[in-house]
Amino acid sequence: AQTVTQSQPEMSVQEAETVTLSCTYDTSESDYYLFWYKQPPSRQMILVIRQEAYKQQNATENRFSVNFQKAAKSFSLKISDSQLGDAAMYFCAFTHGSSNTGKLIFGQGTTLQVKP
Amino acid sequence: GAGVSQTPSNKVTEKGKYVELRCDPISGHTALYWYRQSLGQGPEFLIYFQGTGAADDSGLPNDRFFAVRPEGSVSTLKIQRTERGDSAVYLCASSSDRGTYGYTFGSGTRLTVV
Repeated sequence: AQTVTQSQPEMSVQEAETVTLSCTYDTSESDYYLFWYKQPPSRQMILVIRQEAYKQQNATENRFSVNFQKAAKSFSLKISDSQLGDAAMYFCAFTHGSSNTGKLIFGQGTTLQVKP
Repeated sequence: GAGVSQTPSNKVTEKGKYVELRCDPISGHTALYWYRQSLGQGPEFLIYFQGTGAADDSGLPNDRFFAVRPEGSVSTLKIQRTERGDSAVYLCASSSDRGTYGYTFGSGTRLTVV
């Protein structure tokens, strides 16, 4: 089965601190792409970071970085120097590289609260 | 357009009525996706268009749901005989490729069936 599990329904972090959101996934394929999306109250899903499964190097985008452990099928998101604007729901997702459709499989999300 | 536009933003309808939800993708994006997001859940895939054709409609829950994209740009998701269980946010996204670089999402339509 192709699934994504986010085991933390809610997380909280102090402004300027660092927080890590967990994600595990299950797929039998070796070619896939992993994503973290942010969904603020405006509902629009915003792409935060992307990782190609065949690349060992962890992706980084400014204050956002991932810890990709392919053997463990783990893909956690680290947010450094947290800002009030980071408060949102965060979704982990993947798509198969061999897919003809690019269909995304999403986790259930983690709500991140940032305290001033 | 600059982004993916979805209309209406909110829709309230009575059980049994027919509704249409519209999606206007980014100009030039050939791939278009519809997802459904129930309260507190992650989005679930409904249908994928490549150009005018529905390349994958495996996520449509039943035959009350139908989507079209007649000219390869704007898409309409149609729901017949709505049920209270259809209440959700319907998200549209578009991409210039198969989505391996991620999509651009719209802000969704919140459908409430009363």
